[in-house]
Amino acid sequence: SQTIHQWPATLVQPVGSPLSLECTVEGTSNPNLYWYRQAAGRGLQLLFYSVGIGQISSEVPQNLSASRPQDRQFILSSKKLLLSDSGFYLCAWSATGTGYGYTFGSGTRLTVV
Amino acid sequence: GQSLEQPSEVTAVEGAIVQINCTYQTSGFYGLSWYQQHDGGAPTFLSYNALDGLEETGRFSSFLSRSDSYGYLLLQELQMKDSASYFCAVGDDKIIFGKGTRLHILP
Repeated sequence: SQTIHQWPATLVQPVGSPLSLECTVEGTSNPNLYWYRQAAGRGLQLLFYSVGIGQISSEVPQNLSASRPQDRQFILSSKKLLLSDSGFYLCAWSATGTGYGYTFGSGTRLTVV
Repeated sequence: GQSLEQPSEVTAVEGAIVQINCTYQTSGFYGLSWYQQHDGGAPTFLSYNALDGLEETGRFSSFLSRSDSYGYLLLQELQMKDSASYFCAVGDDKIIFGKGTRLHILP
């Protein structure tokens, strides 16, 4: 069966520090991969998505970037965090890309102080 | 662009039925899906409608009318564990989520 791993679960980082969040999927090949962010009590904002290795589409201009160095690995990064980067970051994967059956990781709660 | 509208909050009584509506605007349509998210947790997939009509999965049903750009999630025999946020979503290679409906259940 397919599983998705996301870590760390919580993170407290100072303003101006770098960020690296990692997500891996097991049990499938060539998944579509996604990074979403959710502010407290708000909806899910799509940040990046990838349909293949090295293929990254950015949805929101910001100081975040994403990379997909391997088929089932998706990384979210920042060189210098801002206070506004705080939130709940969620990685997800899908097989079809149609919105049917997106599976989310357990999420990383990031607090920038 | 794509946008979705759903009520921010809904309150219902345990054992009752509740309907959460969703209207959408999208340049291309590949189906309407629904997700549940408990506080502090990740969203989990509930249902998907690609064609008009009603899809039933246990206590949950989802309806779609493509001509009206409208759908709803119906929850029957409400239980306290159904207290959560519910999101509708549309899209193809990427999906866009509504802002979510917080469901409060009263005993």
